[in-house]
Amino acid sequence: LAKTTQPISMDSYEGQEVNITCSHNNIATNDYITWYQQFPSQGPRFIIQGYKTKVTNEVASLFIPADRKSSTLSLPRVSLSDTAVYYCLVAPISSGSARQLTFGSGTQLTVLP
Amino acid sequence: NAGVTQTPKFQVLKTGQSMTLQCAQDMNHEYMSWYRQDPGMGLRLIHYSVGAGITDQGEVPNGYNVSRSTTEDFPLRLLSAAPSQTSVYFCASSLESDKNIQYFGAGTRLSVL
Repeated sequence: LAKTTQPISMDSYEGQEVNITCSHNNIATNDYITWYQQFPSQGPRFIIQGYKTKVTNEVASLFIPADRKSSTLSLPRVSLSDTAVYYCLVAPISSGSARQLTFGSGTQLTVLP
Repeated sequence: NAGVTQTPKFQVLKTGQSMTLQCAQDMNHEYMSWYRQDPGMGLRLIHYSVGAGITDQGEVPNGYNVSRSTTEDFPLRLLSAAPSQTSVYFCASSLESDKNIQYFGAGTRLSVL
């Protein structure tokens, strides 16, 4: 499984755009990039997934450069309720893999008023 | 639609006691898994199952047993609890075709004294 590296923590202010970058230098051809959000005392929640270029949904955007060795989760106009830990995962989505997803330590995003 | 349901939400055990953490999902997902989360260590995979009757070990399986007799249920058993098993436990499920998008339960907070 590809190893991922993300910043341990980030601070932002309400209304700002936040970009969290994840490095995954040894990403494989069939790997997808998935991001989760976790609030205190809750289970992680899926945010967005992509393979290349850009993916956008109602919550966030995911930017993936051509070499796919990194990815950036973009949260537009954050609010206090976006304070959470954000995890980046890299793994194939198809079946057949004996080993499953491994979550790293994630990035603690703190949104300040 | 309840999603992934975990019981109990909180539990206190004495060293050496046994107990079972329950997990049930109503989404007909083939894949289910158990994670533990400790402060500063992210989520670590304990055991997983790709379908009824099939289970396998994750990153930290020692001290835990699982079984999968039905698609819906995936209980986690602690045969002889140890203080090192004090943690928050999350159960998750997903389609086998896309294990990257997992749905998590609310968690069980376990303390072993």
